Amino acid sequence: AQKVTQAQTEISVVEKEDVTLDCVYETRDTTYYLFWYKQPPSGELVFLIRRNSFDEQNEISGRYSWNFQKSTSSFNFTITASQVVDSAVYFCALSPISGGYNKLIFGAGTRLAVHP
Amino acid sequence: DAGVIQSPRHEVTEMGQEVTLRCKPISGHDYLFWYRQTMMRGLELLIYFNNNVPIDDSGMPEDRFSAKMPNASFSTLKIQPSEPRDSAVYFCASSSSQTSGANVLTFGAGSRLTVL
Repeated sequence: AQKVTQAQTEISVVEKEDVTLDCVYETRDTTYYLFWYKQPPSGELVFLIRRNSFDEQNEISGRYSWNFQKSTSSFNFTITASQVVDSAVYFCALSPISGGYNKLIFGAGTRLAVHP
Repeated sequence: DAGVIQSPRHEVTEMGQEVTLRCKPISGHDYLFWYRQTMMRGLELLIYFNNNVPIDDSGMPEDRFSAKMPNASFSTLKIQPSEPRDSAVYFCASSSSQTSGANVLTFGAGSRLTVL
């Protein structure tokens, strides 16, 4: 079975704090993709990153960084020096790798509130 | 590119009425998805199309729901008759197997449906 667990339902921080959003996944597939999407208050989901299971290197993009650890089946997302504009619901997702499209399994999401 | 365009953004209707949600995917994308988002069930994939052909409709809740994609630039999701439990945000998304990958979805802004 495939499953994505985002145990943190809501997180509240003050601006400039660092915050880590946890994502733990379950899959029997040996190859798979992991994703993070952001859903700001305006409602649309915005793609942030895709990682494949072959590549465990951490990735940094500006204030965002992702820590992929296959040994613990985790793909955590850290925002450094958070800003009010980071307030959103963040979704982690999982999908097997094969030709064409394979169903994205989304976690329940973590609502992040960044206060001034 | 204008992104994925959905209409209407908001729809309020009475139980028993027919509802039609519309989607224009990104030009050149060969996959189109319909998702439903509720507090209770999170993000659920209802149906997806590849090259205008429905591939997997196993997520469509019941016969009251139907989806069509008459051409590469237009899709509809119809609910007839609507029920209060259909109240949700319905997202359309598209992706390209040739560029970023079929699993990297670009979402529309969503259609918020309220059935009274």
